[in-house]
Amino acid sequence: GAGVSQTPSNKVTEKGKYVELRCDPISGHTALYWYRQSLGQGPEFLIYFQGTGAADDSGLPNDRFFAVRPEGSVSTLKIQRTERGDSAVYLCASSVDSNTGELFFGEGSRLTVL
Amino acid sequence: GQNIDQPTEMTATEGAIVQINCTYQTSGFNGLFWYQQHAGEAPTFLSYNVLDGLEEKGRFSSFLSRSKGYSYLLLKELQMKDSASYLCAVRDVKNTDKLIFGTGTRLQVFP
Repeated sequence: GAGVSQTPSNKVTEKGKYVELRCDPISGHTALYWYRQSLGQGPEFLIYFQGTGAADDSGLPNDRFFAVRPEGSVSTLKIQRTERGDSAVYLCASSVDSNTGELFFGEGSRLTVL
Repeated sequence: GQNIDQPTEMTATEGAIVQINCTYQTSGFNGLFWYQQHAGEAPTFLSYNVLDGLEEKGRFSSFLSRSKGYSYLLLKELQMKDSASYLCAVRDVKNTDKLIFGTGTRLQVFP
């Protein structure tokens, strides 16, 4: 596609439920990033992939969060046993590679945990 | 780790010039980015500096001093549509090259 696509754009769930957020990067971009953004804050790094492998997952807050990118393109961020504190906008971005070039962001998935 | 500091909020008048500062600390600097983010929208790329000096792009310019760990974004001839958050982000080659963002500076332009 022309840009980074994220689905769903909005997700409302109940505390304790499981959630999957999907990101479809720009075709040919090898690096894919997940960030989380709360109101009034900058994007907070979660994880990034270079190809299929996670190059750095140091930003994942705990073991309830997991992300995959099995074929080096689409990525899924998975959150188990959601908590109210997980409510935020989850941003995905891609770039041509991991050490040069700017990141292109998707519109984000707004997650609300009730 | 990386510490990135920028003012939380700024205000300016339409037609004026505003400078948004960013200071950072890294062990392996590999580039500084400025992004613009309108409320409820995704961040969009504005500028990139990896060498010292000024990069000019239309009404927007970005400056970098690596020895001082300092950058600024200069916006000229401000327009109402420039009201947005401006995010400073740094890439650190000694920290897996991931891009780390500051908290952003919310700019309000008044008529």
